[in-house]
Amino acid sequence: SQTIHQWPATLVQPVGSPLSLECTVEGTSNPNLYWYRQAAGRGLQLLFYSVGIGQISSEVPQNLSASRPQDRQFILSSKKLLLSDSGFYLCAWSGQGDTIYFGEGSWLTVV
Amino acid sequence: DAKTTQPTSMDCAEGRAANLPCNHSTISGNEYVYWYRQIHSQGPQYIIHGLKNNETNEMASLIITEDRKSSTLILPHATLRDTAVYYCIVGGQAGTALIFGKGTTLSVSS
Repeated sequence: SQTIHQWPATLVQPVGSPLSLECTVEGTSNPNLYWYRQAAGRGLQLLFYSVGIGQISSEVPQNLSASRPQDRQFILSSKKLLLSDSGFYLCAWSGQGDTIYFGEGSWLTVV
Repeated sequence: DAKTTQPTSMDCAEGRAANLPCNHSTISGNEYVYWYRQIHSQGPQYIIHGLKNNETNEMASLIITEDRKSSTLILPHATLRDTAVYYCIVGGQAGTALIFGKGTTLSVSS
């Protein structure tokens, strides 16, 4: 069966520090991969999605970037975090022509 | 922007059916209706999806109107663990990026 792993689960980072959140999917090949963010008390915002290695679509211009160095690996990064980057970050995947499934999320607090 | 309209909140008694409505009047012919739910501090959980026909699985039933402009998610026997935010989403062919709205907060009480 397919599983999705996302880490770290929680982190507290100072303003101006870099960020790296990693997500991997097991049990499938060539998945579509997604990064969403949920700010406190708000809905889910799509940040990036990828249909293949090196193919990244950005939905919202901001202080973040995404990369897909391997087929089942998706990384969310920032060079310098802002206070407004705090939130709940979710990685998700889907097969070709299939439903989207979410990981358990990463809580980021920028202080 | 989300293409759906849902009530902000609903209440349901434990053991009763919970009927969650969703309006999607601008849905196009090849777009699916998806339902997810999110319990606080967890990733959204897929519930069910459909295109035209009503669907049922072990979690819920999805009733889509004939004109496809609205749908209803039915939890046949709500339990306290069904308390969550329920999202109704319309999207293209399964697998394309889904845009979430604010959802309906369902509170199930004993």
